Amino acid sequence: AQKITQTQPGMFVQEKEAVTLDCTYDTSDQSYGLFWYKQPSSGEMIFLIYQGSYDEQNATEGRYSLNFQKARKSANLVISASQLGDSAMYFCAMREGWRYGNKLVFGAGTILRVKS
Amino acid sequence: DTAVSQTPKYLVTQMGNDKSIKCEQNLGHDTMYWYKQDSKKFLKIMFSYNNKELIINETVPNRFSPKSPDKAHLNLHINSLELGDSAVYFCASSQEKESPSSGNTIYFGEGSWLTVV
Repeated sequence: AQKITQTQPGMFVQEKEAVTLDCTYDTSDQSYGLFWYKQPSSGEMIFLIYQGSYDEQNATEGRYSLNFQKARKSANLVISASQLGDSAMYFCAMREGWRYGNKLVFGAGTILRVKS
Repeated sequence: DTAVSQTPKYLVTQMGNDKSIKCEQNLGHDTMYWYKQDSKKFLKIMFSYNNKELIINETVPNRFSPKSPDKAHLNLHINSLELGDSAVYFCASSQEKESPSSGNTIYFGEGSWLTVV
């Protein structure tokens, strides 16, 4: 089974509007971490936001927030007030424990295009 | 100062050659990784080292050999390059904590674009 599923290959959003990028995950561990990374066309991987499995509140970082629904195993990224510079590929990733090598497992990514 | 730096950024080489990609991190982290991003943008871990000890070796051909001289460096050497090795290779680092829910973020380098012709 896929560990991380991003069902939206591509998304469009109007500038200044909010957009939600979906991510569901699969794990039987109680302790895990969820991450979102942004990859612009220049290619670098930029860390955006993190949510720990025991965190009771949704993580927020500036215009980014993570809508964490543990029972549904979803960790959607919400970008508020979209800007043209938000156009990029977005990856959801999960980290489980040492028995999995503490590695990050990535979803297939969602390409976001912000329209002016 | 760049936190995780890789060299070279671009590498074009012929099939059969041997090449190396170097990675250095100045974050004081104890764990480093190599990830491969294929042409479909899928990212997959190749190796991880914790304090110079190999932790993860995913099903990678043994033509790929990582070397960690110290915990700030993790180099990737590739022998007998093949067309299918063309990809972007990312180095990354993190400070390991006992629990994966403890917020140990993984930081990535800028990537090394390898093209085998």
